Amino acid sequence: QKEVEQNSGPLSVPEGAIASLNCTYSDRGSQSFFWYRQYSGKSPELIMFIYSNGDKEDGRFTAQLNKASQYVSLLIRDSQPSDSATYLCAVNGLTGGGNKLTFGTGTQLKVEL
Amino acid sequence: ETGVTQTPRHLVMGMTNKKSLKCEQHLGHNAMYWYKQSAKKPLELMFVYSLEERVENNSVPSRFSPECPNSSHLFLHLHTLQPEDSALYLCASSQGLPTGAGEKLFFGSGTQLSVL
Repeated sequence: QKEVEQNSGPLSVPEGAIASLNCTYSDRGSQSFFWYRQYSGKSPELIMFIYSNGDKEDGRFTAQLNKASQYVSLLIRDSQPSDSATYLCAVNGLTGGGNKLTFGTGTQLKVEL
Repeated sequence: ETGVTQTPRHLVMGMTNKKSLKCEQHLGHNAMYWYKQSAKKPLELMFVYSLEERVENNSVPSRFSPECPNSSHLFLHLHTLQPEDSALYLCASSQGLPTGAGEKLFFGSGTQLSVL
């Protein structure tokens, strides 16, 4: 059974700090990795995706992928109160064909003033 | 606004009722999805349609019946639901690339369903 594991949190960080969110996955065949942000009462919104080992930066967000260790992380620099949300990690493999994302349960992030 | 519209936003129904959820996407995508989100659980994929053909039915009970009349519209017909079916039901769309590589999903705002 393919699994995606995340610490449910809440992860509390002070405003301006770096928030580090981690995700591990069980399927070694996984090829694509996504981070979605979900505000309370809202739907998930894609904020980052990464396909290759290493880092990918987009503004204050950096996704890090290590396929050998089967983990993907999301760093949020200069955290703002508006970053307070649940962050969902999603992983896609090629097995079975098509776009079959497996989601983690999400990590709740709280950015405190 | 993601370009994916879901109605209704909230729905309360009894176990003997029949209702339908509606989803419409304005992104020109070819694939549409139904997901279920319950508290403390990961998003669960229910159905996938690619070019109006159902390509995934993830062991969902028959009391949930999807319909995709064209690539822009998706319905989820509900009948004789159980209280444990209460959840947030999310529609999503993606480009529907044939490679199977990971695609970016665009979600609608969801329907919060309560079954009494």
